[in-house]
Amino acid sequence: GQQLNQSPQSMFIQEGEDVSMNCTSSSIFNTWLWYKQDPGEGPVLLIALYKAGELTSNGRLTAQFGITRKDSFLNISASIPSDVGIYFCAGREGGSEKLVFGKGTKLTVNP
Amino acid sequence: GAVVSQHPSRVICKSGTSVKIECRSLDFQATTMFWYRQFPKQSLMLMATSNEGSKATYEQGVEKDKFLINHASLTLSTLTVTSAHPEDSSFYICSARAERFSGEQYFGPGTRLTVT
Repeated sequence: GQQLNQSPQSMFIQEGEDVSMNCTSSSIFNTWLWYKQDPGEGPVLLIALYKAGELTSNGRLTAQFGITRKDSFLNISASIPSDVGIYFCAGREGGSEKLVFGKGTKLTVNP
Repeated sequence: GAVVSQHPSRVICKSGTSVKIECRSLDFQATTMFWYRQFPKQSLMLMATSNEGSKATYEQGVEKDKFLINHASLTLSTLTVTSAHPEDSSFYICSARAERFSGEQYFGPGTRLTVT
């Protein structure tokens, strides 16, 4: 099925550093979502974006809906060890209930 | 809010047997639930969309007679893997659209199925 291009695939950072990851699509999306998944668990919704150019924060997390509606990025500031996990972007096209997921970015934070 | 549970969390079954996985929305009603499958180190792949009171819509390549979905109430959807084989071993995750909250999909904790 269709997938988004998410990068980077993995990141190894030191505690306290900022992190940035992004997703691109060949299709226009009406909604961009960012989820975090811990090992052996289901994804947890972090941020939802509904308008081109929208910038939304959730604590140390900030995400933006790209102007072209074909991309989104997620920033994590001042990373801490519990930020470790896999981050997935997901997009939804207009008129569809279905989400298309990126392949994930695995984040490792060294204390 | 927007809590989704799954049962069981882990199941081991023998090849040829059937396994039922339950997905419940605990604090909201969900007219639409989704079933995903996730292989190790891979992303989530949508298997089917489940609408309360009607037949599920399956994604291309997903056998509807093998993966039976029932969405009999606004808080419960079930996935039955029939005549399971080792290649069906995977992490199965459900989600439910929570109109009462953000309207987005909230995921259950997943069910690890191992077929021996």
